[in-house]
Amino acid sequence: DSGVTQTPKHLITATGQRVTLRCSPRSGDLSVYWYQQSLDQGLQFLIQYYNGEERAKGNILERFSAQQFPDLHSELNLSSLELGDSALYFCASSVESGFANEKLFFGSGTQLSVL
Amino acid sequence: AQKVTQAQTEISVVEKEDVTLDCVYETRDTTYYLFWYKQPPSGELVFLIRRNSFDEQNEISGRYSWNFQKSTSSFNFTITASQVVDSAVYFCALSEALYNQGGKLIFGQGTELSVKP
Repeated sequence: DSGVTQTPKHLITATGQRVTLRCSPRSGDLSVYWYQQSLDQGLQFLIQYYNGEERAKGNILERFSAQQFPDLHSELNLSSLELGDSALYFCASSVESGFANEKLFFGSGTQLSVL
Repeated sequence: AQKVTQAQTEISVVEKEDVTLDCVYETRDTTYYLFWYKQPPSGELVFLIRRNSFDEQNEISGRYSWNFQKSTSSFNFTITASQVVDSAVYFCALSEALYNQGGKLIFGQGTELSVKP
């Protein structure tokens, strides 16, 4: 158990809908990362937050947004969903602000299915 | 541009065989870090090892060993005397220090290892 909690584990929704994925980092970790794992794109970095502020951005679509709250949990909001958004979404956390050598602890992921 | 290539999509071995998973990376940064993560059937990603670009010493941890060669931009992973519990998808990843990109990991496509009894 990594200590990173993601909810829900599974999510089934329809195209055009909006969903929110939630992540609680390990106790004491200040950074939260979101990754998307799909069959065609593999594991892709979406975005990172450190202590409530956006720290780094990757291949995140404009329809997607994230935030980190004062209690350090994070939410990833996906809107106007398309079939191609079906994927496993991982949250990870680390202690510091995201130095290149940091070890990330991953949650079990949220499997999103868009029908 | 940064890139990680794991050319082996799937590998199947019989228990007790040794197996090597290949990883080749591309980066312009002189300071970078390489990682291996394991994704068992349960789905979560588990950290295995981290290596920085200035340390080319090979590392051994039990049945696992890693060979880092800057000259060939490779960071290969060997499992000795494989076991059924080693069955998983293994990911190699790169993290660059340039532009302070933080903990952004660039993953390879993964190698699915199947160890049969």
